[in-house]
Amino acid sequence: EAQVTQNPRYLITVTGKKLTVTCSQNMNHEYMSWYRQDPGLGLRQIYYSMNVEVTDKGDVPEGYKVSRKEKRNFPLILESPSPNQTSLYFCASSLYGTEYNEQFFGPGTRLTVL
Amino acid sequence: AQTVTQSQPEMSVQEAETVTLSCTYDTSESDYYLFWYKQPPSRQMILVIRQEAYKQQNATENRFSVNFQKAAKSFSLKISDSQLGDAAMYFCASGGYQKVTFGTGTKLQVIP
Repeated sequence: EAQVTQNPRYLITVTGKKLTVTCSQNMNHEYMSWYRQDPGLGLRQIYYSMNVEVTDKGDVPEGYKVSRKEKRNFPLILESPSPNQTSLYFCASSLYGTEYNEQFFGPGTRLTVL
Repeated sequence: AQTVTQSQPEMSVQEAETVTLSCTYDTSESDYYLFWYKQPPSRQMILVIRQEAYKQQNATENRFSVNFQKAAKSFSLKISDSQLGDAAMYFCASGGYQKVTFGTGTKLQVIP
């Protein structure tokens, strides 16, 4: 089954404790992206990657890191999480860019930083 | 830079009736696409419909259609014959080649 998977689905952590949210897709998509969703703000793009070893900042990259060492994986790293990073996070992928191709979204990761 | 504005935080519609969700956008991209995504309580993001900006014909997908007014930068979603399963948050989005910008969403309630 073609899908985007994220782990963990739920995470409660404390300020400053480094964490990684994994994202994997099995569709051989070149484009991958991370979004955060907050009430009243919609989805905002954190980082995106056009291909392996190619990443770029979205609209809200502060406090996050990403890497794209393999085509299928695009982990989101929070080196020192803070409470304002409490949010619902989505990973998405598409065949090439976002102009034409449909983005397929993962199920979301609910992160709470205490 | 892209901006997407959804001015209706919440809307309601009677079952079987028609409802229109509004969206306006601004973009510096010469080629772009517009999307409507549905997010039910399960939180899964589901693509409802998309529109190529260079096409004048409005996109349709079964009960869902758009009214795309390029000059006015308007992209509204019409849902006909509303069903209980249409109750969800709806997000309008504008996408260039690399980035997609989402609106803040409209929560749609369907009244039996």
